[in-house]
Amino acid sequence: ETGVTQTPRHLVMGMTNKKSLKCEQHLGHNAMYWYKQSAKKPLELMFVYNFKEQTENNSVPSRFSPECPNSSHLFLHLHTLQPEDSALYLCASEGTSVVGELFFGEGSRLTVL
Amino acid sequence: AQKVTQAQTEISVVEKEDVTLDCVYETRDTTYYLFWYKQPPSGELVFLIRRNSFDEQNEISGRYSWNFQKSTSSFNFTITASQVVDSAVYFCALSEAIASGGSYIPTFGRGTSLIVHP
Repeated sequence: ETGVTQTPRHLVMGMTNKKSLKCEQHLGHNAMYWYKQSAKKPLELMFVYNFKEQTENNSVPSRFSPECPNSSHLFLHLHTLQPEDSALYLCASEGTSVVGELFFGEGSRLTVL
Repeated sequence: AQKVTQAQTEISVVEKEDVTLDCVYETRDTTYYLFWYKQPPSGELVFLIRRNSFDEQNEISGRYSWNFQKSTSSFNFTITASQVVDSAVYFCALSEAIASGGSYIPTFGRGTSLIVHP
């Protein structure tokens, strides 16, 4: 068990659909991240939340809308996506005992048709 | 600006060979952290090690060892006697020592895909 759980693991959606990705951690961490991992591209930071407040938005298009209702849950709401948004979306929480250590979920594989 | 370069896109070895994964970084900070993560086929990145910029001592953990050379801005990772289970994508990452908004946001390299053949 990774400690960070992402659902769904796989998602196929049309460009007009609205869907959400969910991330959950019960590690007691206060910072949570969304990363996008596309084929042959580096990991792209999308958003960072610290104590439920958004502290980083890496110029992400508005069709991606994050939500952090509490320190244990992080959502990524998806709306009118493009085929190039197809990727593995990784959630991570930041540990408190080793500075900078991230704990990742297994990712949500998104395919936009 | 921080930058991490992993020049090796893919490495293929036969089991029991030693293999070194290269990582070169750029930063203007004098205090920073370096990391290695492993991403197996299941998808989640798994933390392997963290070094801070003041600790250049090399580290060994079982078959894994890390060589931190500040003079060449490199933090290379060697797997001795590789095994099929070592097949994964390995990421090197760098973060500043000062938290941004309370978080130490790492910059990742592109990753090196290691394939170990039986």
